[in-house]
Amino acid sequence: ETGVTQSPTHLIKTRGQQVTLRCSSQSGHNTVSWYQQALGQGPQFIFQYYREEENGRGNFPPRFSGLQFPNYSSELNVNALELDDSALYLCASSLRTSGQETQYFGPGTRLLVL
Amino acid sequence: EDQVTQSPEALRLQEGESSSLNCSYTVSGLRGLFWYRQDPGKGPEFLFTLYSAGEEKEKERLKATLTKKESFLHITAPKPEDSATYLCAVPHPIIQGAQKLVFGQGTRLTINP
Repeated sequence: ETGVTQSPTHLIKTRGQQVTLRCSSQSGHNTVSWYQQALGQGPQFIFQYYREEENGRGNFPPRFSGLQFPNYSSELNVNALELDDSALYLCASSLRTSGQETQYFGPGTRLLVL
Repeated sequence: EDQVTQSPEALRLQEGESSSLNCSYTVSGLRGLFWYRQDPGKGPEFLFTLYSAGEEKEKERLKATLTKKESFLHITAPKPEDSATYLCAVPHPIIQGAQKLVFGQGTRLTINP
């Protein structure tokens, strides 16, 4: 167990709707990253938050947005859902130090857009 | 942009039949290489980090090795419970002090009893 939790586990939405996914980081971790994983593919980086600020963003449109809270939990929001947004959404927490950091993943949220 | 390629895409072995999975990478400067295991419908589980060519790490029936261009995950005498998708990833800097993981597409390993 990594101590990283995500909710909900599964979600079904229709095209055009909005969704919020939640992540609770491992205790002591200050960084959270979000990834999208399509079926049969490796995870793709969406964005990362450190001390409540976005640190970097992958090739995803602005309708993908996020938040990190003072307790280091995090949200991923997706507006105007499209069919291609159907995927497994993963959050990963890590402790940023001067050296290497290891990202530990939660169980994921499976999103289906109809 | 850093690139990671894994082969084969899928591998089916009999219980006890040893083999290796390959992860080749193209990066501007190696900052480490990560191996994860992922069971269907679940999040990736961290296995190993390798930082320099020649480094090796072991865990039960798994051994990861690293060269300047690729990494291998050797599985010795596998059991059905070793069936999973194995992902490798390299860290890529996004801003100073921050990094994202760039993943390969994974190797889906099936061990038949």
